[in-house]
Amino acid sequence: EVQLVESGGGLIQPGGSLRLSCAASGFTVSSNYMSWVRQAPGKGLEWVSVIYSGGSTYYADSVKGRFTISRDNSKNTLYLQMNSLRAEDTAVYYCARDKGWFDPWGQGTLVTVSS
Amino acid sequence: DIQMTQSPSSLSASVGDRVTITCQASQDISNYLNWYQQKPGKAPKLLIYDASNLETGVPSRFSGSGSGTDFTFTISSLQPEDIATYYCQQYDNLPPKTFGPGTKVDIK
Repeated sequence: EVQLVESGGGLIQPGGSLRLSCAASGFTVSSNYMSWVRQAPGKGLEWVSVIYSGGSTYYADSVKGRFTISRDNSKNTLYLQMNSLRAEDTAVYYCARDKGWFDPWGQGTLVTVSS
Repeated sequence: DIQMTQSPSSLSASVGDRVTITCQASQDISNYLNWYQQKPGKAPKLLIYDASNLETGVPSRFSGSGSGTDFTFTISSLQPEDIATYYCQQYDNLPPKTFGPGTKVDIK
């Protein structure tokens, strides 16, 4: 079964750092494009970042220079390192396989940035 | 960046009604348009990819059409389990991939 499971969310103070993980099963992360998508409370979906199978990475302007997407091929896991966190980064973060369309999605992990 | 608009932002319909949602892109995106269903507290679920292709396992009452800048998503006969928010999403050549603002569907 193709599945994604995120972890690493939590409450963090403004300016802090957090690393999200996304463990994949049923397919190989490194052979696919993988994205992070977030959803602020009560709001719509916002694409955050993608890593291509070849290793190229792209970011939304809102997180460029603060977030870093990466993967560990040996663990078949995707990561999102989030630095200099702001209140407006508060959201549920989803990882997803990216074929142009996103499928499957993980269950999401909540990041709350607040003092 | 390509901007996506959706209408209506919300709608209320009766069980069995035909429901139509439209999505417009700010520039030509060919057929690179996908539709998702999201229920409260759950991750989005892919329903339609490349404008009109039904994802495996998705009921045939869901359909999509369009190309270029104008797209339509239809539920041919609304069921109680279809209560959700629906999002369109484009994927032109380069990032960012952008979503529409969503359409909330509920039962009248």
